[in-house]
Amino acid sequence: GQQVMQIPQYQHVQEGEDFTTYCNSSTTLSNIQWYKQRPGGHPVFLIQLVKSGEVKKQKRLTFQFGEAKKNSSLHITATQTTDVGTYFCAGLLRSQGNLIFGKGTKLSVKP
Amino acid sequence: GAVVSQHPSWVICKSGTSVKIECRSLDFQATTMFWYRQFPKQSLMLMATSNEGSKATYEQGVEKDKFLINHASLTLSTLTVTSAHPEDSSFYICSAPRWLAGGSDEQFFGPGTRLTVL
Repeated sequence: GQQVMQIPQYQHVQEGEDFTTYCNSSTTLSNIQWYKQRPGGHPVFLIQLVKSGEVKKQKRLTFQFGEAKKNSSLHITATQTTDVGTYFCAGLLRSQGNLIFGKGTKLSVKP
Repeated sequence: GAVVSQHPSWVICKSGTSVKIECRSLDFQATTMFWYRQFPKQSLMLMATSNEGSKATYEQGVEKDKFLINHASLTLSTLTVTSAHPEDSSFYICSAPRWLAGGSDEQFFGPGTRLTVL
């Protein structure tokens, strides 16, 4: 079936280093959403990207949606220990379709 | 790897009927499961946290008598939409954390259930 692939599965960084997680779909997406799950918690919505080539920023987080609407990335600049958690992307194949989640990227930040 | 399944994947029902959705962790035990709802073009909304052996914890604004949650075993949680109405039509997803040595957890999502109430 349709899948949203997310890499890497794990990422360990030193505090202050940058971090990027990538999502790829074999099928054009209607939109893509990003979630953050803190250890022990549930995924919390961060942002939604809809337009081809869209770039959105939230403080140190930069979200991109590819021109073909098949891939997306989340980049964190100068990571902090508060960034620790698992970041999930979720793609919507069509406007009335179902969200398909990537497996997530678990970020650990060493102080 | 760990898998979370949901059944059914889609269901169509008449207004006034009740619909049960199952969420199963297939190769790990889940003392906690989360139930979400997603409206078209919107993000997931956490409805409730299902706890094995105790009552579910509902988010503000979610009617507990409308959305009955039962965490019957360490691998099964059910969400029953009672007296369904067209406004309950939505995509319902569950997720379950698998706890790892060291205290961290991995979150696994079910494939979702599309409910359409006529």
